[in-house]
Amino acid sequence: SYDLTQPRSVSVALGQTARITCGGSNIGSKNVHWYQQRPGQAPVLIIFRDKNRPSGVPERFSGSNSGNTATLTITRAQAADEADYYCQIWDSGINWVFGGGTALTVL
Amino acid sequence: QVQLVQSGPELKKPGASVRVSCKASGYTFSTYGLSWVRRAPGQGLEWLGWISGDNANRQVSLKFQDRVTMTADTSTATAFLQLGSLRDDDTAMYFCARSLFTSSFDYWGQGTLLTVSS
Repeated sequence: SYDLTQPRSVSVALGQTARITCGGSNIGSKNVHWYQQRPGQAPVLIIFRDKNRPSGVPERFSGSNSGNTATLTITRAQAADEADYYCQIWDSGINWVFGGGTALTVL
Repeated sequence: QVQLVQSGPELKKPGASVRVSCKASGYTFSTYGLSWVRRAPGQGLEWLGWISGDNANRQVSLKFQDRVTMTADTSTATAFLQLGSLRDDDTAMYFCARSLFTSSFDYWGQGTLLTVSS
C-alpha cells in the first residue's frame, strides 16, 4: 500500500497564503494531482501532474512536489476557497489513492 | 462540453446490491476511462475502481474486489457500477470521474447518494 498524509485542517487569514502538504514516500517521483471539494459539490481538479492548472483555475493556485512532500499553495485566499482539498497519486499495484483530505478555513 | 450525469439516489437494505449509472456526453466515450469514487459521511475520498471506455480493461481496488462490478456500454456512452453485499458503512456519495489510465480525474459526475439502512 501507499499512504498519503495530509493535515486534517489548515486555517488562513483572508488575503494571505495557505499551504497544504501531502506527504508520501518519495512522492517527488510521482505525479501528484489536487482536487477541491466544496460542501455538497463534486470534487474539481485544480492541479494535475504536480504543478499544472486546468483551464479556468485561478493562478492563485499552484503546486510543487519534491522529495517526500507535495504542496498546494493558495495565495490571496478568498472566502470561496473554503473547501476540502485532496491530493492523489497513481502507483502501479495500488492504482489511484487519495490523501485523507484537508479542510481549509479562511478566517 | 463534457458532462457526466449520474442516476438518482438509492435506498437499500444491508445485504442487497445497487447499480449506479453514469452517462457521458461531449467527448468520444471509448477514448477515456471512468473511475468510481465515494465519500462517506465524515470521511475522505476513496477510489473504488476504473473501467476503460471500450469496456476492455478494469482495475479494482483490493478493498472492493469481491463486491464491485463495473461495465461500460459504448452504444449509450454509459458506465455502470454495481456494488454488492451492501453494509451500513457503504452509505456514501458515489461519483464517477473521467480519466485516462494512470492520469488525473478531469471531469466528475454530480454524485449519487446511496443510503444503506435496515
